Amino acid sequence: GENVEQHPSTLSVQEGDSAVIKCTYSDSASNYFPWYKQELGKGPQLIIDIRSNVGEKKDQRIAVTLNKTAKHFSLHITETQPEDSAVYFCAASRPGTASKLTFGTGTRLQVTL
Amino acid sequence: NAGVTQTPKFQVLKTGQSMTLQCAQDMNHEYMSWYRQDPGMGLRLIHYSVGAGITDQGEVPNGYNVSRSTTEDFPLRLLSAAPSQTSVYFCASSWEGDYGYTFGSGTRLTVV
Repeated sequence: GENVEQHPSTLSVQEGDSAVIKCTYSDSASNYFPWYKQELGKGPQLIIDIRSNVGEKKDQRIAVTLNKTAKHFSLHITETQPEDSAVYFCAASRPGTASKLTFGTGTRLQVTL
Repeated sequence: NAGVTQTPKFQVLKTGQSMTLQCAQDMNHEYMSWYRQDPGMGLRLIHYSVGAGITDQGEVPNGYNVSRSTTEDFPLRLLSAAPSQTSVYFCASSWEGDYGYTFGSGTRLTVV
């Protein structure tokens, strides 16, 4: 089955700096790669996703890049703010698998003043 | 308020007890899933459903049972609770398979 590895497990940046979180996946058939943000005591919230026919996607300060050849994808957050502090999860799924998202182990991002 | 509602938010069980975690969504989503979240392990899929009357196993189904009699509800049953089932449980729903899942706020379960 699919295996998703996520790095780093913790990341501390100063406010205004950029943050990058990287994930690799094992199943070359995977074609959907979402990113979720989880704040303390809450459920994960989808913040951005990308499909395998696209190499990059942006939404304001957040961007995701995908390298299908290398089987890795990354989350980029620019101009970080204290409210970006949370745990971020990447995930992957292959077509025809309905609800079977495989998640990475999470990255705890701390944005310091 | 549209979304995924999970009850209870917290629960303590004794080993061997059974209980049902409730999940309801009001977005008319066909796809619903249950995940458990453990420290350092991300979220792991327990069971999922692609519509009323249709369920299937995920990565870690042992000790759990589900049914889907309506589009709105997807309860998760613990048959005989074990300490290894201590975890935070999340229910999620989606309009279409692996697109844009909406998660509930979770149930924190402790089995003693």
